[in-house]
Amino acid sequence: ETGVTQSPTHLIKTRGQQVTLRCSSQSGHNTVSWYQQALGQGPQFIFQYYREEENGRGNFPPRFSGLQFPNYSSELNVNALELDDSALYLCASSAQTGNYGYTFGSGTRLTVV
Amino acid sequence: DAKTTQPTSMDCAEGRAANLPCNHSTISGNEYVYWYRQIHSQGPQYIIHGLKNNETNEMASLIITEDRKSSTLILPHATLRDTAVYYCIVRVVGASGGSYIPTFGRGTSLIVHP
Repeated sequence: ETGVTQSPTHLIKTRGQQVTLRCSSQSGHNTVSWYQQALGQGPQFIFQYYREEENGRGNFPPRFSGLQFPNYSSELNVNALELDDSALYLCASSAQTGNYGYTFGSGTRLTVV
Repeated sequence: DAKTTQPTSMDCAEGRAANLPCNHSTISGNEYVYWYRQIHSQGPQYIIHGLKNNETNEMASLIITEDRKSSTLILPHATLRDTAVYYCIVRVVGASGGSYIPTFGRGTSLIVHP
């Protein structure tokens, strides 16, 4: 059983650019969530996808968008990057009908300069 | 806002039990208590969850008070590798369709010392 994998592991972008982060969910999981974690803070929920539809969103602006594909993998896209977008971006997958919690990936460290 | 409150930091001697408290006084009847931990620069790792009964697995024990307003995560024999930030969250799990999104607070930074 594979876990959640994220790519890339590290990324440096310039303010104003756009970035796409990728996530492969754990086998058997059909729900993917994305979190932003600033240094010293807990993970902040961005949004969740279930069966390719967004079914929950946190307090993030529309320039944060996402996709989920038929194989349940997912992308997080951020447009018009700002310096404050520098953070660890975590992807987590879960089986919607189960209650065994979320499996997190190791994250993508994004630095905006 | 997080629905749980935890102490900012704790420390524990290696080999001793680490007891991490969590207050969730506004928990609803259909919300589970979940615990995760995050070791530096890694993604959070699931530890254990429970609804109202005490639970135990190979990693830890979870004690939930009878009124469900607080819980304690117990690491029975802490090791240096248990040094991490521990998060207590509450989450509704639906039988189908959507599930409530867990909200993380700042967690408890546990330092296990020799």
